[in-house]
Amino acid sequence: DTGVSQDPRHKITKRGQNVTFRCDPISEHNRLYWYRQTLGQGPEFLTYFQNEAQLEKSRLLSDRFSAERPKGSFSTLEIQRTEQGDSAMYLCASSLNGGGGGEQFFGPGTRLTVL
Amino acid sequence: AQTVTQSQPEMSVQEAETVTLSCTYDTSESNYYLFWYKQPPSRQMILVIRQEAYKQQNATENRFSVNFQKAAKSFSLKISDSQLGDTAMYFCAFMPTQGGSEKLVFGKGTKLTVNP
Repeated sequence: DTGVSQDPRHKITKRGQNVTFRCDPISEHNRLYWYRQTLGQGPEFLTYFQNEAQLEKSRLLSDRFSAERPKGSFSTLEIQRTEQGDSAMYLCASSLNGGGGGEQFFGPGTRLTVL
Repeated sequence: AQTVTQSQPEMSVQEAETVTLSCTYDTSESNYYLFWYKQPPSRQMILVIRQEAYKQQNATENRFSVNFQKAAKSFSLKISDSQLGDTAMYFCAFMPTQGGSEKLVFGKGTKLTVNP
């Protein structure tokens, strides 16, 4: 399967713990996005990479959140000192190039539950 | 800031019938892209159809078509000959061309159920 993959699919953690999610985009895609989707809402943009450079971050991304894409391939999203409000589905998407309204291909998401 | 509004939280349709999902958006940009994405239960989001704002012709993809009214900032999705597999959440999304990131701004979604 050459689609976008995310790991883990589900994560349950206790408040105050740190969690890390991984996203593997489609191999030739240079753009990678993270979105957060809470119950009953559409996905909300968190951050965006072009190759290894993080070029934009949403105000939703507090200081407890950090994302990396070290070699321009896979990406990680870390949440430190998790809070119950962090419970959500975290979606990763990738696309090729830009400047043309290209399709973003989504992964299955990581569902985070903070107890 | 751009916003996307989907005023129908839930809709249902009988198999083989036609259904239209509504979407309005707000932007000051003149050029942008609009999308409809489908999110089946427990499955990942996939693109249904895409429209470029500077193209007046409405996009079509097999049983899916849009009614794009730029002046009214309206972008509705019509599904013809509905099938059971069309049951899903449908999200309307806006993509600005300014800024460079091409991030998507989503509506809250419409849950569509196709009944046999």
